[in-house]
Amino acid sequence: QVHLVQSGAEVKKPGASVKVSCKSSGYTFTSHWMHWVRQAPGHGLEWMGVISPTGDARAYEQKFQGRVTMTRDTSTNTDYLELSSLRSEDTAVYYCARDWSMADRGWWFDPWGQGSLVTVSS
Amino acid sequence: SSELTQDPAVSVALGQTVRITCQGDSLRTYHSSWYQQKPGQAPILVIYNKDARPSGIPDRFSGSSSGNTASLTITGAQAEDEADYYCNSRDISANRWVFGGGTKLTVL
Repeated sequence: QVHLVQSGAEVKKPGASVKVSCKSSGYTFTSHWMHWVRQAPGHGLEWMGVISPTGDARAYEQKFQGRVTMTRDTSTNTDYLELSSLRSEDTAVYYCARDWSMADRGWWFDPWGQGSLVTVSS
Repeated sequence: SSELTQDPAVSVALGQTVRITCQGDSLRTYHSSWYQQKPGQAPILVIYNKDARPSGIPDRFSGSSSGNTASLTITGAQAEDEADYYCNSRDISANRWVFGGGTKLTVL
């Protein structure tokens, strides 16, 4: 059975950085890309970026460029999302979600991690 | 870049049929996927590749697409279907993915 288990809640001060982890099990880690999605309180889902199976390629949403870094450790089947220069608007639940694709026309995210709450407050 | 537009809220009587729509230019090129999210829970996939249903998802959930509009239909809505629903597809002009704003479904 496939599982994505994320790290716990974090409280950070404005200007600090946070690193969230997502450990995969139950499938071949290096066969799938991994997406990161966040959800601010009371708001919808927001795509942040994606990392390739071997970790050598990434695509980030433009609004996060310069502040976000996605990495992965294939020896421990763990993905990492690091967000720097945190501000109050970054308070959100951060999710990892495994990528699936078919015939270069369809992509979907399944399963999702349980989410990691990051609170930015002075 | 392209965006996906959903109605913010929809309601349906128990046992009736409801359609949730998602509009965007990217849907003319790329297939949609749909996610159900209940309060305090992570999203789960309910439809992928515009009309395919994952194992474990009840067959009252179906998907379709025409032109720039994707639809999620629930035939015989149940109380447990009350949730937020989000559509998603790849952006046509960039290496990015986009979500619709979400539709809050109320089962009356």
